[in-house]
Amino acid sequence: AAGVIQSPRHLIKEKRETATLKCYPIPRHDTVYWYQQGPGQDPQFLISFYEKMQSDKGSIPDRFSAQQFSDYHSELNMSSLELGDSALYFCASSSRDSSYEQYFGPGTRLTVT
Amino acid sequence: QKEVEQDPGPLSVPEGAIVSLNCTYSNSAFQYFMWYRQYSRKGPELLMYTYSSGNKEDGRFTAQVDKSSKYISLFIRDSQPSDSATYLCAKGGVTGNQFYFGTGTSLTVIP
Repeated sequence: AAGVIQSPRHLIKEKRETATLKCYPIPRHDTVYWYQQGPGQDPQFLISFYEKMQSDKGSIPDRFSAQQFSDYHSELNMSSLELGDSALYFCASSSRDSSYEQYFGPGTRLTVT
Repeated sequence: QKEVEQDPGPLSVPEGAIVSLNCTYSNSAFQYFMWYRQYSRKGPELLMYTYSSGNKEDGRFTAQVDKSSKYISLFIRDSQPSDSATYLCAKGGVTGNQFYFGTGTSLTVIP
C-alpha cells in the first residue's frame, strides 16, 4: 500500500539559511499534519491542513510556515534556521473523517550547522 | 505537566514474554487513544487506536483504555525480537487533529 512520502530524507543547512520540506500524503487522504521530533523526544505537533486550509496549529515557530496545495501535498518552509531546529520532521496524513488514524511518513532529518 | 505521561524504560524482556506498556493522561476531553511503534530513525507506525473505554485486540496486541483512571495500556503477547522498538502512546485532541504523544518506551526483546 502507498505510504506518506517525504522529501528530502536528509537535509543539512547552515544557520540563518532556509529550508523547504515536502510531504505527499497517502492517496485519498485530505488532511496533512507536521510534527517535529527532537533527539530522544516525542513528536511535537506543529500544524495541520485540511483542504488547503490550516485546520489546527501547535508549537510552530513564527519562522516556519506551511501550506497545502490542490493536489493535497504540503510544504513546510523554515527560515532563519537555528541550531535548535535540528530534528526529525514528520508528515502524517489522514482522511478528515478518520483523523485519529494518522499515518506517518519516514521523516526528513534536518541538521543545522 | 505533559498531556500524556509514559515511562521511558528501557524495558528488556525475553522472547515469548508478555509485555505491558502503560501511559496516563490528564485531560478527559480527549477521546481517541493510539499506540505507535517507532524503529530507530524511522517514522512512527500506527499499531492500534481505541475510542472510549474498553479493550481492542489485533493479533498479539491488545490495547486497553480505562477512562475512570485515565490509564492506557498496550499488551504484547508472545513477544518477538522484531518487536524491539520504541512504543509511543498518543491521544487525539477534541478536534481530532492534534495528537499528544508520550515520551515513548524503549522495548528490547531478547532472543
